[in-house]
Amino acid sequence: AQSVAQPEDQVNVAEGNPLTVKCTYSVSGNPYLFWYVQYPNRGLQFLLKYITGDNLVKGSYGFEAEFNKSQTSFHLKKPSALVSDSALYFCAVPKDTGFQKLVFGTGTRLLVSP
Amino acid sequence: GAVVSQHPSWVICKSGTSVKIECRSLDFQATTMFWYRQFPKQSLMLMATSNEGSKATYEQGVEKDKFLINHASLTLSTLTVTSAHPEDSSFYICSAGLSRDLPDTQYFGPGTRLTVL
Repeated sequence: AQSVAQPEDQVNVAEGNPLTVKCTYSVSGNPYLFWYVQYPNRGLQFLLKYITGDNLVKGSYGFEAEFNKSQTSFHLKKPSALVSDSALYFCAVPKDTGFQKLVFGTGTRLLVSP
Repeated sequence: GAVVSQHPSWVICKSGTSVKIECRSLDFQATTMFWYRQFPKQSLMLMATSNEGSKATYEQGVEKDKFLINHASLTLSTLTVTSAHPEDSSFYICSAGLSRDLPDTQYFGPGTRLTVL
């Protein structure tokens, strides 16, 4: 079964510092990987996706993610965190070959302190 | 970008009553929509796939008679929680994709918080 794991419930980082939110995956076949962000009282927003091609994927709000096949990871990164980046982050993978059903990780809460 | 709305944003109801939640794609047609449930501090769990003009398909363990889904048009799907009980209290989220077969992004509604007293 397709799955993703987010090993950290929470990540704390100071504003201006780089941030990393971890995600590892377990899939059969080619991996298609997504990152979403959920702000309080708002719906999930798409950040970026990996389908094929470059291992470094650039997304919205200055975020990027690095696909690492050997480590089966797809960590979300940002060079300089903002307080406004504080939110809940989910990585996801399609449940099956239909692509549209998503299986989400457990989420990682990012807290950026001033 | 594509916008998905949900109504209501929150609802409180008495145990035993039914609650209807609407999900609308505002600027695109969605032949398929998805309903998720999110528990506090937990991930989103896919409940069912809503297909326009046909019956919804439910994930294993989800009671189809409990969670009635109707996809009446290309822009509207509804989830009715029938005979709601306190354990049904949760955050319900819908989503829609733009393409049926491609590894696509999902566009999510803002969610509906249901509290059953």
